[in-house]
Amino acid sequence: GAGVSQSPRYKVAKRGQDVALRCDPISGHVSLFWYQQALGQGPEFLTYFQNEAQLDKSGLPSDRFFAERPEGSVSTLKIQRTQQEDSAVYLCASSLDIATMGPQHFGDGTRLSIL
Amino acid sequence: GDSVTQMEGPVTLSEEAFLTINCTYTATGYPSLFWYVQYPGEGLQLLLKATKADDKGSNKGFEATYRKETTSFHLEKGSVQVSDSAVYFCALNGRDDKIIFGKGTRLHILP
Repeated sequence: GAGVSQSPRYKVAKRGQDVALRCDPISGHVSLFWYQQALGQGPEFLTYFQNEAQLDKSGLPSDRFFAERPEGSVSTLKIQRTQQEDSAVYLCASSLDIATMGPQHFGDGTRLSIL
Repeated sequence: GDSVTQMEGPVTLSEEAFLTINCTYTATGYPSLFWYVQYPGEGLQLLLKATKADDKGSNKGFEATYRKETTSFHLEKGSVQVSDSAVYFCALNGRDDKIIFGKGTRLHILP
């Protein structure tokens, strides 16, 4: 496809369950970002990949959050032992290259609800 | 650290009214500045951007000028339409390429 694709679009899980959220960036985009958007707030940075290397994970809120991008394309954000405060929209974005300072292209997000 | 502050919403206007959404920023160095828009049920879309001082970004009738002296990037449109109803986010892109977003301003346009 032409844009960033995220799946699932919606995810409901019980507290304590593990979840995995998938992001397919735009083909050829080197940089990939994950953001968390709480209700009524702006997105907040979680982590950043350049190809398969995770260069910045300073925004991950706890060690229950883990992200990977093993082949430098698709990325997965995993949340273990989910808690209610994890409920949010998780956004993935990609850009051609960090050096170009180009805009990031966002997916539609995964809305995660923890019961 | 870097931050973005934008006016709180919701902002409610009648169709064809003039729109201003204020945005100021704090950053080290010279960030790029953006306005993103989120229409109901859709993802974030880049509306416009400016990469250096005095640049004016424009798109779909919206404009914003990068003002270094006032550290501002206010969004303006001369005549809004019902279809402009959305949430607008001011943002900056710092040295490490993280995007720092404001909290968003919800805009309602009445017919």
